[in-house]
Amino acid sequence: AQTVTQSQPEMSVQEAETVTLSCTYDTSESDYYLFWYKQPPSRQMILVIRQEAYKQQNATENRFSVNFQKAAKSFSLKISDSQLGDAAMYFCAYSINDMRFGAGTRLTVKP
Amino acid sequence: NAGVTQTPKFQVLKTGQSMTLQCAQDMNHEYMSWYRQDPGMGLRLIHYSVGAGITDQGEVPNGYNVSRSTTEDFPLRLLSAAPSQTSVYFCASRPRDRGRGETQYFGPGTRLLVL
Repeated sequence: AQTVTQSQPEMSVQEAETVTLSCTYDTSESDYYLFWYKQPPSRQMILVIRQEAYKQQNATENRFSVNFQKAAKSFSLKISDSQLGDAAMYFCAYSINDMRFGAGTRLTVKP
Repeated sequence: NAGVTQTPKFQVLKTGQSMTLQCAQDMNHEYMSWYRQDPGMGLRLIHYSVGAGITDQGEVPNGYNVSRSTTEDFPLRLLSAAPSQTSVYFCASRPRDRGRGETQYFGPGTRLLVL
């Protein structure tokens, strides 16, 4: 079974600084997708960024980027120029046919 | 498009009661799924469907039933609610074709309290 591990239950960052959230996963597959979702207090699940495993280039979306290390099965999220609105739970997810989530990292942004 | 909608937003049940959580999507997505989210845990897959008439179990299917009679609707049934089913439930959908990247779209969630 595929598992997703987020080893940081909580992280904190100063506004305007950079923070990296860690994620590792376990799979025997070679073709899959990885995601980071943001969940603010409203509980709405919001897609932050997506990575296709067959693409070596790391995905970026404005201030959000990933460091995808396929051999190490690692998929970290970097948030640059952190903003107060980035405060939320962040979930890493792995998907082939169905999606499996990590336990989440709660990010606090300090003004 | 309304996207993925869920009703009700919040429900209180007594142990042993039954109820159905409703989920609908208007994006013509083949794939739909139900997750539960408990404190300190990520979302766990309950059941999923790859199209009308086809359903399958996820990680935590016990105590839940699903059916998929139309592409748009995917209700989740609790036959005899238990306190362990107190959770927030999310419905999600996506196109079935893997080539389109499998981004899932989530509903707003249903908070269920079983007393």
